Amino acid sequence: DAKTTQPPSMDCAEGRAANLPCNHSTISGNEYVYWYRQIHSQGPQYIIHGLKNNETNEMASLIITEDRKSSTLILPHATLRDTAVYYCIVRVANSGNTPLVFGKGTRLSVIA
Amino acid sequence: GAVVSQHPSRVICKSGTSVKIECRSLDFQATTMFWYRQFPKQSLMLMATSNEGSKATYEQGVEKDKFLINHASLTLSTLTVTSAHPEDSSFYICSARDRGGYRDRGVDEQFFGPGTRLTVL
Repeated sequence: DAKTTQPPSMDCAEGRAANLPCNHSTISGNEYVYWYRQIHSQGPQYIIHGLKNNETNEMASLIITEDRKSSTLILPHATLRDTAVYYCIVRVANSGNTPLVFGKGTRLSVIA
Repeated sequence: GAVVSQHPSRVICKSGTSVKIECRSLDFQATTMFWYRQFPKQSLMLMATSNEGSKATYEQGVEKDKFLINHASLTLSTLTVTSAHPEDSSFYICSARDRGGYRDRGVDEQFFGPGTRLTVL
């Protein structure tokens, strides 16, 4: 799986949009971008994934650049409960029994 | 989404004893489950891949005789920390892949349990 690079930490004011960047310059054509988050002392939670088109669900939006070398996870109206570590992971879809490999992620702090 | 449970959520034991942690997929079948370990302020580190009906595959540096994994059914995997020592104190997390999720929703999701915090005195 391709390597990803994320800033170690970010702050965001409550109610504002949180934009979390991820670089994946070595991504292959068949690799998807997945985002998970981990709230303190809990297991990771799936957020969203995408291949090349922008994606949106009830939790977030994912914007992938045209060259697919980077992406941004957007939480449109961040709340205090969105404080967590966010992981950007690149992997082939339907990877069989390949586990998710976590990097260091971005620690997002939402501030009141 | 699919639910994965872990039991216990928290355990404190004496050095030298063994501790068993259960991981269950509640509403789907998981032929493969994964075990991770997480130390404070660090990321999740994969320990092993647990396959139903066969031996687990351990990552480099993880002692298979110390961390016994049994995947006896399609919904249950157990991790036993044998002869636990204080350095084994950590947050242990399991995950399971919902193969039906990819078939039905095109999402290769792994669902994670809530974790088990082990403290060895």
